Amino acid sequence: GNSVTQMEGPVTLSEEAFLTINCTYTATGYPSLFWYVQYPGEGLQLLLKATKADDKGSNKGFEATYRKETTSFHLEKGSVQVSDSAVYFCALSDPPNTGNQFYFGTGTSLTVIP
Amino acid sequence: DGGITQSPKYLFRKEGQNVTLSCEQNLNHDAMYWYRQDPGQGLRLIYYSQIVNDFQKGDIAEGYSVSREKKESFPLTVTSAQKNPTAFYLCASSIRGLQPQHFGDGTRLSIL
Repeated sequence: GNSVTQMEGPVTLSEEAFLTINCTYTATGYPSLFWYVQYPGEGLQLLLKATKADDKGSNKGFEATYRKETTSFHLEKGSVQVSDSAVYFCALSDPPNTGNQFYFGTGTSLTVIP
Repeated sequence: DGGITQSPKYLFRKEGQNVTLSCEQNLNHDAMYWYRQDPGQGLRLIYYSQIVNDFQKGDIAEGYSVSREKKESFPLTVTSAQKNPTAFYLCASSIRGLQPQHFGDGTRLSIL
């Protein structure tokens, strides 16, 4: 079946530090992969996506590369800011003929301190 | 602007009471979803609907009910059978295929 495994949190970094949040997946088909961000008290916002192997999604300084050989989609940012403090969710979409197509990781909480 | 609107933002339930959470989308998406999020936890799927007048149970459907009479609307009723309803509820929608879900801003439900 399909599943997403995400790095356990919480993660605390100093401002301008390098960020990596690990995400690996299991899928029966050829999924699309996503990273979402959730700020306190809000819904999830799509941060970036990749739809096929070797694609790199990027947005707001965040990047993630779809690695089929390692079934991974790690989130990276070169220099984090206090405003990046949030919960990050890795997700995949793998549409079956019937049934649900979306699967989420458990989320990783990031706190950036000045 | 197209999007998903959840209302109310905060909701309180008394013992033995059913409450209904509203979710409306103007994105013309076929599929809609309800998730429950407990503090510090991930998302758990309650119900989803891929087409009008049809819906399926997710992982934690017990104590909840839904309807999908219109494409743009997917209300969730938290019944009195749900003994631990305090949580943050998120509605989402999507089109078919390898596209992402779009989320509303959530409804926080608490017990009085």
